[in-house]
Amino acid sequence: GAGVSQTPSNKVTEKGKYVELRCDPISGHTALYWYRQSLGQGPEFLIYFQGTGAADDSGLPNDRFFAVRPEGSVSTLKIQRTERGDSAVYLCASSLGPAGNYEQYFGPGTRLTVT
Amino acid sequence: TQLLEQSPQFLSIQEGENLTVYCNSSSVFSSLQWYRQEPGEGPVLLVTVVTGGEVKKLKRLTFQFGDARKDSSLHITAAQPGDTGLYLCAATTSGTYKYIFGTGTRLKVLA
Repeated sequence: GAGVSQTPSNKVTEKGKYVELRCDPISGHTALYWYRQSLGQGPEFLIYFQGTGAADDSGLPNDRFFAVRPEGSVSTLKIQRTERGDSAVYLCASSLGPAGNYEQYFGPGTRLTVT
Repeated sequence: TQLLEQSPQFLSIQEGENLTVYCNSSSVFSSLQWYRQEPGEGPVLLVTVVTGGEVKKLKRLTFQFGDARKDSSLHITAAQPGDTGLYLCAATTSGTYKYIFGTGTRLKVLA
C-alpha cells in the first residue's frame, strides 16, 4: 500500500509570498501531524488533526501559519507572507489514532526555501 | 517548555564498535519512541517503550526506558555502516497527543 506522500518535494519561493504544502496520509489514518525540521535538528511539532478538526495547534509559530483537513484525509499547510526563517523541511505524519498508542508514519517531507 | 536532550550530538565510529546514545529530560513521559532518519526521508520508528525500566531489543539495538520515565538509552552492538543515520527520540506526556522530539544524534559508522 502507499505510504504518506507530500507535494511538492521542493519549493523555492520569494520572501513575502504565499505557499501551500500538501500531505496525503495513509488511507484510513484518522490522525495527521505536521512538523518542521530545521537543518541538524529534530522535528518540531506544529499541529495535530484528529479527523477534520485541529485537536492541537499549539505548535504553529504565529498567525502566518494555518492548516486544514476539510474531509479528514488530505491536509494542506498554508504559510502567508513567508520569511527566510520559514526555510526548513516540513514533515507530515499519519497514524491510526492519537500519539503514544499508534505508530506514526512519516512522509519524505517538503523542503521549503525562502529567498 | 519540555525539552528532550540527546547526547552525543555527533558520533563517528569504526565498524564493529559498540555505542550508546542518551535521551534525557526533566519531564515524565507516558511513552517514548526512537526513530532513525536518513537524508531526504522522514523518520522511521524503531521502538516504543511505555513502562519505567522497560528494555526492548531489536537485533543489535537495545533500548531502555528509565525507571522514572524521564530518560532513555539506545545501545548498538557491533555497529555496521548501515546503522549510519540520524537517531531521534520522541516522547508524549499524559493528556496530550503531540510528540516532542529530541535534538538528534548523528551517527556515522565507518567501514
